[in-house]
Amino acid sequence: QSALTQPASVSGSPGQSITISCTGTSSDVGSYNYVSWYQQHPGKAPKLMIFDVSDRPSGVSNRFSGSKSGNTASLTISGLQAEDEADYYCSSYTSSSARVFGGGTKLTVL
Amino acid sequence: EVQLVQSGAEVKKPGESLRISCKVSGYSFTSHWISWVRQMPGKGLEWMGRIDPRDSYTNYSPSFQGHVTISADKSISTVYLQWSSLRASDTAMYYCARLYVLPDPLDYWGQGTLVTVSS
Repeated sequence: QSALTQPASVSGSPGQSITISCTGTSSDVGSYNYVSWYQQHPGKAPKLMIFDVSDRPSGVSNRFSGSKSGNTASLTISGLQAEDEADYYCSSYTSSSARVFGGGTKLTVL
Repeated sequence: EVQLVQSGAEVKKPGESLRISCKVSGYSFTSHWISWVRQMPGKGLEWMGRIDPRDSYTNYSPSFQGHVTISADKSISTVYLQWSSLRASDTAMYYCARLYVLPDPLDYWGQGTLVTVSS
C-alpha cells in the first residue's frame, strides 16, 4: 500500500487561507469517506483535526475544514495563525481493511 | 479523561527483543480498537496494525506483518507492541492511538515511545 501523496510544504501569511491536498487511489480515498487529518507539532504526538472527510472533533477550531473530490481529499485552514504552523498528515481507510497515511505536509506561517 | 500512557524510551542492540506498552484509562478498554503507528526520525507516520482488545483480534500492515506482534492484556488495560529480533531500521518513535470507531479515526494518542537500536 503506497502512501497518499501530499505536497511537502505549503506556506501562508497570518489571516490567509491555505489548502493541503491528499491524493490517493480508488482503493482508498476514492472509495471511502474515511479520510482523517492530523496535526503534529515538533516533538509532540499527532492530534486529530478532521475525520470522515469533513467532520471536526469537539474542540477543534472551525477554521479547519475538509473536503473530498474523487481520489483527492483536501484540508483547508482559514484565518491562518502562527500556532497552525506544524506538520499535517492525511489518512485513509483502504480496501484491504488497513490504514494508509500521507507523506506529510509542513505548513509554514510566514 | 481519556489517556494513553506509553512506556519509556528504550535503547537496544540489533537482534535483541523488546516489548513496549500503552496503558489506557478513562474509558472502557474493550470498547475501542488500538492502533500502533511508527514515525522514523524526520519522517512521516506509518500505520503498523491494530488490535481489538475484546478478543485480541489483530490486523497488520503488510509492511510490518511478521516482524512485530501486537497484543493486549484486558486485566491491566494495556496494549503491547513486541519485537523478537530488532534491527537498526526499527529505530523510531512509536505511538499508540485509540480508534474512535472502526475503521476511523484515531482520536486519542499516546505520548510516544522512542526506540533506538544501535550496536
